[in-house]
Amino acid sequence: DAGVTQSPTHLIKTRGQHVTLRCSPISGHKSVSWYQQVLGQGPQFIFQYYEKEERGRGNFPDRFSARQFPNYSSELNVNALLLGDSALYLCASSLDRVGTGELFFGEGSRLTVL
Amino acid sequence: AQRVTQPEKLLSVFKGAPVELKCNYSYSGSPELFWYVQYSRQRLQLLLRHISRESIKGFTADLNKGETSFHLKKPFAQEEDSAMYYCALFPPGNTPLVFGKGTRLSVIA
Repeated sequence: DAGVTQSPTHLIKTRGQHVTLRCSPISGHKSVSWYQQVLGQGPQFIFQYYEKEERGRGNFPDRFSARQFPNYSSELNVNALLLGDSALYLCASSLDRVGTGELFFGEGSRLTVL
Repeated sequence: AQRVTQPEKLLSVFKGAPVELKCNYSYSGSPELFWYVQYSRQRLQLLLRHISRESIKGFTADLNKGETSFHLKKPFAQEEDSAMYYCALFPPGNTPLVFGKGTRLSVIA
């Protein structure tokens, strides 16, 4: 099993653009969570999806949105990019909705906004 | 509000010396506490959780509810322990993991 896979690994955008980040969970995992990690900080929760429905949302503006597909993969979309959106975006999967706090992370997508 | 505090950004110790990475949390109930680790060029991964009460790679962590702490300890540090360590809190009720800012452990040969 390849584990959680994310794409792209790196990308550069300019202010005002839109970005889509993709994530494939571990086979059999039905829950996907997205975290933002700014340099020097711990991961901050953005969204959790389970069975294609949003189950949790962190304190992020409406420019951030996500969805989960029938195969449990997920996309994170960010509109009208700001310089402050530059960060490592981590996707994590877990077996079920409630989980045990054990998340399996991908390697992340590093977004640079110029 | 739930909060996790890791007071040290960087901790440097000599090989063979004891290590203690501090973690304090703020939560009114009974959360689950975790330590996650990220080695160089690797993904973030679970190191240990308090409910398991196990030792992983020689590391242990005891939950002290009175002091709301969950410090990570190892009696003899090894060079391969050098990594970024994150303490995380998992409140009951399917709320997300809350991470601290992390402590970078550097073990000097």
